[in-house]
Amino acid sequence: QQPVQSPQAVILREGEDAVINCSSSKALYSVHWYRQKHGEAPVFLMILLKGGEQKGHDKISASFNEKKQQSSLYLTASQLSYSGTYFCGTVAGGTSYGKLTFGQGTILTVHP
Amino acid sequence: GAVVSQHPSWVICKSGTSVKIECRSLDFQATTMFWYRQFPKQSLMLMATSNEGSKATYEQGVEKDKFLINHASLTLSTLTVTSAHPEDSSFYICSARTGGANSYNSPLHFGNGTRLTVT
Repeated sequence: QQPVQSPQAVILREGEDAVINCSSSKALYSVHWYRQKHGEAPVFLMILLKGGEQKGHDKISASFNEKKQQSSLYLTASQLSYSGTYFCGTVAGGTSYGKLTFGQGTILTVHP
Repeated sequence: GAVVSQHPSWVICKSGTSVKIECRSLDFQATTMFWYRQFPKQSLMLMATSNEGSKATYEQGVEKDKFLINHASLTLSTLTVTSAHPEDSSFYICSARTGGANSYNSPLHFGNGTRLTVT
């Protein structure tokens, strides 16, 4: 079952912050975050594992609330290069081969 | 490291013909590869899981006779769209992990995708 992302779209000015949420109805092993630019393949951002993990890279960070089966991606002081579609991907319990199911995506647009 | 190469980048074919897409892991061995399909402005939908040396596992609703998957070696998986029709036009992307078949704590590395247009 596909995880649900919110919001569907975000428009920011450079330097503003954004939060993208991802929730699942299934117990999760891990949550992955990817960014995709138009016409390109998704690029890996980070993985959060079972256990309420939080991590970050530069000004992008994420958290995973294991109890609520929710993850949030935080983009602070956004840059023009942050524009793209953000997907969360989840690996649910009982999933064979660790296959990843993606949310519907959140379109992030950063303006100067 | 962890480079996945996909070929071709784009292909235009006539309705009724077959198209083969190759996915190679260049610097690692991949016992499992995943094939996704993405329609414009939509999410990546998993089509099938390709397993080296055995049959692919298809997601519900994906026709195994139409989308033939072969994973002949630890570095190569192919997807053949047989008797293609305009509704098969889409962006097909393969991916693989470096951490082994069940390494849910490893990221997926994606190929650059193949844009298929069936006329």
